[in-house]
Amino acid sequence: QSALTQPASVSGSPGQSITISCTETTSDVGGYNYVSWYQQHPGKAPKLMIYDVSNRPSGVSNRFSGSKSGNTASLTISGLQAEDEANYYCSSYTSSSTLCVFGTGTKVTVL
Amino acid sequence: QVQLVQSGAEVKKPGASVKVSCKASGNTFTRYYMHWVRQAPGQGLEWMGIINPSGISTIYAQKFQGRVTMTRDTSTSTVYMELSSLRSEDTAVYYCARDVDPLGPAYAMDVWGQGTTVTVSS
Repeated sequence: QSALTQPASVSGSPGQSITISCTETTSDVGGYNYVSWYQQHPGKAPKLMIYDVSNRPSGVSNRFSGSKSGNTASLTISGLQAEDEANYYCSSYTSSSTLCVFGTGTKVTVL
Repeated sequence: QVQLVQSGAEVKKPGASVKVSCKASGNTFTRYYMHWVRQAPGQGLEWMGIINPSGISTIYAQKFQGRVTMTRDTSTSTVYMELSSLRSEDTAVYYCARDVDPLGPAYAMDVWGQGTTVTVSS
């Protein structure tokens, strides 16, 4: 059972902004700044979109941004595009013996 | 551009072991921590463990301790993940992935292998 809870689905129209939350049930997300976000299209490997809460890897569109408040991290996609339709996972370093956990995943649908 | 190329699909019987390889291109392989992540059919991502750049140190998720072994051959830029005592619940796609921070680990993965499907069936 993941310690990071995400909404099962989020949808938006092209051009709109959407936000995906990632809420932890322990102190995993709140206590550290090692929160990352991944995009995964069906049948493909995940792609890193955000790391260390708000850093974008080279080549990732600036339409993607990350933040954290308390025990909830968030990924915002602005100017939603058809290609953004995918599953998104947050992850966090944890203080438990597992060290790293992924969120439950959110399916983003572009209407 | 670093690429990670994994070994091919495997079909195993319950109780057997599987060893998946992940070969890196590029000459910076030895600087980075490497992770293994799996994904069961229709399910989310699950972190399995991490191996340090030299291959001397590993940390495994509690769920897999005692069943998983991660190793690294720096001479061939290859990392390996072996999972033993396989059961049907281990059917999944297994990914190797590079940690984003060469000074890390940052527990973020910026380069991923293509995935290796492991099917456990009698």
